[in-house]
Amino acid sequence: ETGVTQTPRHLVMGMTNKKSLKCEQHLGHNAMYWYKQSAKKPLELMFVYSLEERVENNSVPSRFSPECPNSSHLFLHLHTLQPEDSALYLCASSQDPGQGADTQYFGPGTRLTVL
Amino acid sequence: LAKTTQPISMDSYEGQEVNITCSHNNIATNDYITWYQQFPSQGPRFIIQGYKTKVTNEVASLFIPADRKSSTLSLPRVSLSDTAVYYCLVLTYGNNRLAFGKGNQVVVIP
Repeated sequence: ETGVTQTPRHLVMGMTNKKSLKCEQHLGHNAMYWYKQSAKKPLELMFVYSLEERVENNSVPSRFSPECPNSSHLFLHLHTLQPEDSALYLCASSQDPGQGADTQYFGPGTRLTVL
Repeated sequence: LAKTTQPISMDSYEGQEVNITCSHNNIATNDYITWYQQFPSQGPRFIIQGYKTKVTNEVASLFIPADRKSSTLSLPRVSLSDTAVYYCLVLTYGNNRLAFGKGNQVVVIP
């Protein structure tokens, strides 16, 4: 299933590096999401964009900076990360986050390791 | 916040029916109940969604009682490839919405 793609699939970076994660959805959806999933933990919602406007920011540290240039693309810019930021970063999209029946479609994730 | 509560893990033998329950006591009138399946190092995958009574698709069935305070995902005749974490999600719009719970690790044994 290639509805939501993420690149890169794996990323190793040092604490002083700057990198970006990319997500693209091919489903014509209006909303996009970033989640973080640490080992053996549930998904943590980081950011939500609806029609390219950020509608939710769940107390995420400023070293994570999202960007949504259009409804099909979502980026997560990373800088001066910490080792505890190592996790699987998942992108998702949905048609209408304002509706109770809204369903999210997830990408394969980026496995991030911070050294 | 319509939090969800699920058992942490369960084992089942291949070919058996598996029933996974989820409690959502604070579900709101407009909320739907959605179940996802997640394999290791992959994104969750939509399984089924319902509002009330029973919903069935080619993968699973979802049973929701009249009070909607719980739901049960039923996987018929599981195979080894059904080993995964299953999440129950209730969509609540407001602060801390879209909160996934801890999920239920289902292990299918040969």
